[in-house]
Amino acid sequence: DAGITQSPRYKITETGRQVTLMCHQTWSHSYMFWYRQDLGHGLRLIYYSAAADITDKGEVPDGYVVSRSKTENFPLTLESATRSQTSVYFCASRGTGQGGGEKLFFGSGTQLSVL
Amino acid sequence: GQSLEQPSEVTAVEGAIVQINCTYQTSGFYGLSWYQQHDGGAPTFLSYNALDGLEETGRFSSFLSRSDSYGYLLLQELQMKDSASYFCAVSTMDSNYQLIWGAGTKLIIKP
Repeated sequence: DAGITQSPRYKITETGRQVTLMCHQTWSHSYMFWYRQDLGHGLRLIYYSAAADITDKGEVPDGYVVSRSKTENFPLTLESATRSQTSVYFCASRGTGQGGGEKLFFGSGTQLSVL
Repeated sequence: GQSLEQPSEVTAVEGAIVQINCTYQTSGFYGLSWYQQHDGGAPTFLSYNALDGLEETGRFSSFLSRSDSYGYLLLQELQMKDSASYFCAVSTMDSNYQLIWGAGTKLIIKP
C-alpha cells in the first residue's frame, strides 16, 4: 500500500544504547523529515533530506544521525540515547497540497522511552 | 528569533463555530499551514495560505493577513470528532522553507 510507515511503533531502551528508527515512503517524495514532539513544544525538526544523499540539520539535531541512501528510506539513529530523548518521533514526507502549497504526510509515529 | 503564538486550549459547543488564532513573528515569511492531530495520532494537513484572504475547505476555513502577521482557522458546525489539537506552522525563507510549528491548540468540544 502507498504511504509512509514508521517502525517500531513503540521502543523502550536504556541510556547509552544506540537506537535506530525506521521510515519508509512509497510516493517517491523528494523531501523527508524527522520531528520530535514533546508536550508544550509542538513539533521540532531534527533533520531533513531534500533527496538521496542530501541531508541537513533542523532545529534540534544534537545526538541524532540520519542517512538517506535511497529515496524511500530515511532512518534516524540515536547514537547514545539519553533520557532527554524520550519523546514521540514522527517521520514525514512532502507532497503538494491545494494551491501548490506544502503538505506534509506523517507516519504513525514512534513512541520512544529511554530509561 | 522566530516564534508563533496560539491559544493552548479552546472550548466550544457541538454545532457551534470556533476560531483558532495564530500570530507569528518571523522574517522571510512564505506561508502558513494548519494541521490537525487527534490524541495518539499523527498530524494531518488541513490547509495552507500563502496569500492574504480566506481559503475554504468544507467546514474548515483558514485566513491569512500577511501585514498583521496573523492567521486563523475557522471550524463550523462543530462535531465531536473535531476534538483534537490544531497546529499552525509557518514556512520562511530563513528556515529554508521548512516548517516552524506552534505549540498547538487543544480544542475541547462539549455536547
